[in-house]
Amino acid sequence: GQQLNQSPQSMFIQEGEDVSMNCTSSSIFNTWLWYKQDPGEGPVLLIALYKAGELTSNGRLTAQFGITRKDSFLNISASIPSDVGIYFCAGDEYGNKLVFGAGTILRVKS
Amino acid sequence: DSGVTQTPKHLITATGQRVTLRCSPRSGDLSVYWYQQSLDQGLQFLIQYYNGEERAKGNILERFSAQQFPDLHSELNLSSLELGDSALYFCASSEGETGTGFYEQYFGPGTRLTVT
Repeated sequence: GQQLNQSPQSMFIQEGEDVSMNCTSSSIFNTWLWYKQDPGEGPVLLIALYKAGELTSNGRLTAQFGITRKDSFLNISASIPSDVGIYFCAGDEYGNKLVFGAGTILRVKS
Repeated sequence: DSGVTQTPKHLITATGQRVTLRCSPRSGDLSVYWYQQSLDQGLQFLIQYYNGEERAKGNILERFSAQQFPDLHSELNLSSLELGDSALYFCASSEGETGTGFYEQYFGPGTRLTVT
């Protein structure tokens, strides 16, 4: 099946710092998504990207859909303690069958 | 709260047994998806139903089956359980039909299955 390579695996950053994570795929996706999962809960959609080259923001979060349709990145600006969690990228090739990356564990040092 | 409910929250059972996980989608959503999250495989799509009919299959084992009932709730049946089936099982729901565009999937809190 399709594989998404998500990096970094984990990050331990200072509160107030900017964070960047990315995802690459060997295949093309029509939609790229970024989710956050808190302990004991299901993933929550943060940002959805629908077009190659699209840059979308949601508060302190910014994500881009790569031009080749095989990659995406997520930036978090001015991180705060509640940003802690696991961030997943996901691709939807067609028909809502999502393929997820392995996740980036974000830990913020206050 | 996503509006998707899953029961039970935790389930502990022995190898060889059979269990049923239940999911109620958000009000108005017709599609239900099942995912498995394990440490070694990550989050993997298992199966999707839309308005009672199977629409898409992912990496679902033959020992696993699912159905969606007329009231739109769904059940995931796992049989002949093995130690490797221990995982978090998530249900998600969305309003749309497969192939008609992307619809945001809302995830439930999950059922943690432990096979001993």
